[in-house]
Amino acid sequence: AQSVTQPDIHITVSEGASLELRCNYSYGATPYLFWYVQSPGQGLQLLLKYFSGDTLVQGIKGFEAEFKRSQSSFNLRKPSVHWSDAAEYFCAVGAPDSWGKLQFGAGTQVVVTP
Amino acid sequence: ETGVTQTPRHLVMGMTNKKSLKCEQHLGHNAMYWYKQSAKKPLELMFVYSLEERVENNSVPSRFSPECPNSSHLFLHLHTLQPEDSALYLCASSQGQRGDSPLHFGNGTRLTVT
Repeated sequence: AQSVTQPDIHITVSEGASLELRCNYSYGATPYLFWYVQSPGQGLQLLLKYFSGDTLVQGIKGFEAEFKRSQSSFNLRKPSVHWSDAAEYFCAVGAPDSWGKLQFGAGTQVVVTP
Repeated sequence: ETGVTQTPRHLVMGMTNKKSLKCEQHLGHNAMYWYKQSAKKPLELMFVYSLEERVENNSVPSRFSPECPNSSHLFLHLHTLQPEDSALYLCASSQGQRGDSPLHFGNGTRLTVT
């Protein structure tokens, strides 16, 4: 069975600074990996996804993530954070024919300070 | 109109009440899901429907009863709930059964059981 760990529960970052959110997964084969963002009172919005190919994937809102098989990681990055990036971020892992049965991490809350 | 619409946004109900949550997707997807999001816990998959047929029931108590009358609509019928059932209930949809089909989430129904 797959699992995912987000080591950081809470991160505070200054506006304009870079951001990196960590995600480690456990899965026997190459997983399908996702990053979602949830703003207060909203549902989850897909930021980006990785299935195969280029290990650096670009997403919406200026985010990117890098798949590193050797480290079982799929970290999310943004070079310059905006105040609107304050939200909760979820890493998720899925498997082929998994019927959308994504395994979500516990989430990382990002606070952006002026 | 948003892709996945959930109503109501907020619901307060007593333990003896019967209520229903509604979800509608306008994306032409053929699979729909109910997820539960509790404080400090990862998202939990509750039910999966594909082409109106339930394909997953993740050991959910019988006080939660899903219904999928067609591929665009999904309901969650609630009765004799417990206070620990208070949570954000998220509906999602996807195209196809493969794990690489991203989930599209609604904004959720915030349920409070008193």
